[in-house]
Amino acid sequence: EVQLVQSATELKKPGESLKISCKGSGYSFLSHWIAWVRQMPGKGLEWMGFIYPYDSDARYSPSFQGLLTISVDKSISTAYLEWSSLKASDSGMYYCARVGALTGDSQFYIDVWGTGTTVTVSS
Amino acid sequence: DIVMTQSPESLAVSLGERATINCKSSQSILYSSYNKNYLAWYQQKSGQPPKLLIYWASTRESGVPVRFSGSGSGTDFTLTINSLQAEDVAVYFCHQYYRTPYTFGQGTKLEIK
Repeated sequence: EVQLVQSATELKKPGESLKISCKGSGYSFLSHWIAWVRQMPGKGLEWMGFIYPYDSDARYSPSFQGLLTISVDKSISTAYLEWSSLKASDSGMYYCARVGALTGDSQFYIDVWGTGTTVTVSS
Repeated sequence: DIVMTQSPESLAVSLGERATINCKSSQSILYSSYNKNYLAWYQQKSGQPPKLLIYWASTRESGVPVRFSGSGSGTDFTLTINSLQAEDVAVYFCHQYYRTPYTFGQGTKLEIK
């Protein structure tokens, strides 16, 4: 069974750093792009960017470029989303998601979603 | 960015009736060389991650009930749920993967009347 299991809920203070994770299993982790999607409380879905685990090619939405870093550790089939200095406005639910193309095509639909990580940033 | 606009924002339909959700993109998401529309539909139930229902605008994902169907091309798309069941209560999102940054509609909340 294809699964993306994300790290647990985080409660942080403004200015702190954070790295959340997404571990893939049940498929060839290197062969599929992994996207990150934000959902603010009671709101819609925002595509943040994605990464191709095979060569760590990462691409960002202009709305998130420079604000965070997407990375991957191939050896443990895990993708990451990292902030160096959190703001209250970073609070929300973060999903990782698998792009469905086996060929490494990035222009493809998301077929599997992660379990989600809730991030709360509050003083 | 390609803006995806869904209508209505919320919808109440009686059990057994049909629900129709519309999605309009700010530019065509039809890749004419492949004759494919780069549009997907997702269902998100309360407290859960989204679930893929439809891709390439009209292809039903494996395991999705046949009462769910997608149609449309270019800039105008529709998700239809025939014979609404209680378990279909959810928020539905359309999503374009034609051009980065990929974008989603704002969601349509479906309830039982």
